[in-house]
Amino acid sequence: DTAVSQTPKYLVTQMGNDKSIKCEQNLGHDTMYWYKQDSKKFLKIMFSYNNKELIINETVPNRFSPKSPDKAHLNLHINSLELGDSAVYFCASSQDGSGLYTEAFFGQGTRLTVV
Amino acid sequence: RKEVEQDPGPFNVPEGATVAFNCTYSNSASQSFFWYRQDCRKEPKLLMSVYSSGNEDGRFTAQLNRASQYISLLIRDSKLSDSATYLCAVKGWSGGYNKLIFGAGTRLAVHP
Repeated sequence: DTAVSQTPKYLVTQMGNDKSIKCEQNLGHDTMYWYKQDSKKFLKIMFSYNNKELIINETVPNRFSPKSPDKAHLNLHINSLELGDSAVYFCASSQDGSGLYTEAFFGQGTRLTVV
Repeated sequence: RKEVEQDPGPFNVPEGATVAFNCTYSNSASQSFFWYRQDCRKEPKLLMSVYSSGNEDGRFTAQLNRASQYISLLIRDSKLSDSATYLCAVKGWSGGYNKLIFGAGTRLAVHP
């Protein structure tokens, strides 16, 4: 059983297209995140949701729109893709975003390449 | 200044060596600290949490120095399988909510 699963694993698309990445966690966690890992391997937080409510939006372009239909799912939609959006996008979840020592579990990542 | 900073390495060490990584953080309100391991083209996975009193898990020892705002990871008797990128992560209140922030990672290559 995969705890945090993302689809697709690979995504190659042309500039200007719109694409979505889906994430689901079966851990019963309250908090879910999207991170972006660029070519320099820096893992940067983009969004965080707690019980379907957006709690962190880290100055991400509004072309990126997260959606959480329920606390087990957090999807990421990207409009008008640009070359600079090429990166690996990781979904993660944790038991309680406000708790101490609540580790985050990561999905396998979605490798997005914009050509 | 980045919120969490690490020496990017790479650290190239022979098997059996002891290697230490340091990580500094800027938010004095940080409350929780972690070391994650990330293998090439894989997701980060928790290696260990870092407790105030320091903690050890087999060959791995983590230390926290709140006064100087840094955490460390010591790996003894390095194995080839330890080759990976080690990410420091810090959770703390910032802007009204708790954020889990990662350093850029330190790459370790253990050779025979």
